[in-house]
Amino acid sequence: DTAVSQTPKYLVTQMGNDKSIKCEQNLGHDTMYWYKQDSKKFLKIMFSYNNKELIINETVPNRFSPKSPDKAHLNLHINSLELGDSAVYFCASSQGTGGAFLYGYTFGSGTRLTVV
Amino acid sequence: GIQVEQSPPDLILQEGANSTLRCNFSDSVNNLQWFHQNPWGQLINLFYIPSGTKQNGRLSATTVATERYSLLYISSSQTTDSGVYFCAVRRGGTSYGKLTFGQGTILTVHP
Repeated sequence: DTAVSQTPKYLVTQMGNDKSIKCEQNLGHDTMYWYKQDSKKFLKIMFSYNNKELIINETVPNRFSPKSPDKAHLNLHINSLELGDSAVYFCASSQGTGGAFLYGYTFGSGTRLTVV
Repeated sequence: GIQVEQSPPDLILQEGANSTLRCNFSDSVNNLQWFHQNPWGQLINLFYIPSGTKQNGRLSATTVATERYSLLYISSSQTTDSGVYFCAVRRGGTSYGKLTFGQGTILTVHP
């Protein structure tokens, strides 16, 4: 009964390939996020969806495309992978926005992407 | 955007020692969390603490929102406490839940 689950945990792929990372949360949260952790351990937001609507889109190459089929799922598709995309990608969820924000964020266990 | 600074950047302890980690932030916040990233890369939520003091076993945290800082206390440290500790905040008044992370404190506890 993992709260936020990501698959796969590890992904090794060649430059130029297209890959997807899936995320599911069973907490009933209405907002989901993708964060990227670089080689220096710095964590930065990429995207956020609230009830399937995109609400945050940081400066991310358009090779990255998030998709939210429902509020419990947020997938990340990456086209034409580059060496610099190698990182750990974390999915997270939270309940509520604005004044209804409660309890903080719950993170998944991460997906380590290595582009060779 | 909001700036988050953590100190110290690195900390080395002997098992049993106590430590204090600090997080300073540049604007008012309506969310602050402390996370522990273990050696396997998992991000564990330690505290949700936008203000006040909380305790959980050997760990406790205090946030003084008016002075824009938070402290994480680790008492009687154990080798399993090793890893990276992150502070993350969400700016007050924002409608959407973007968390901004500090650069982390790398803690190493030796037996």
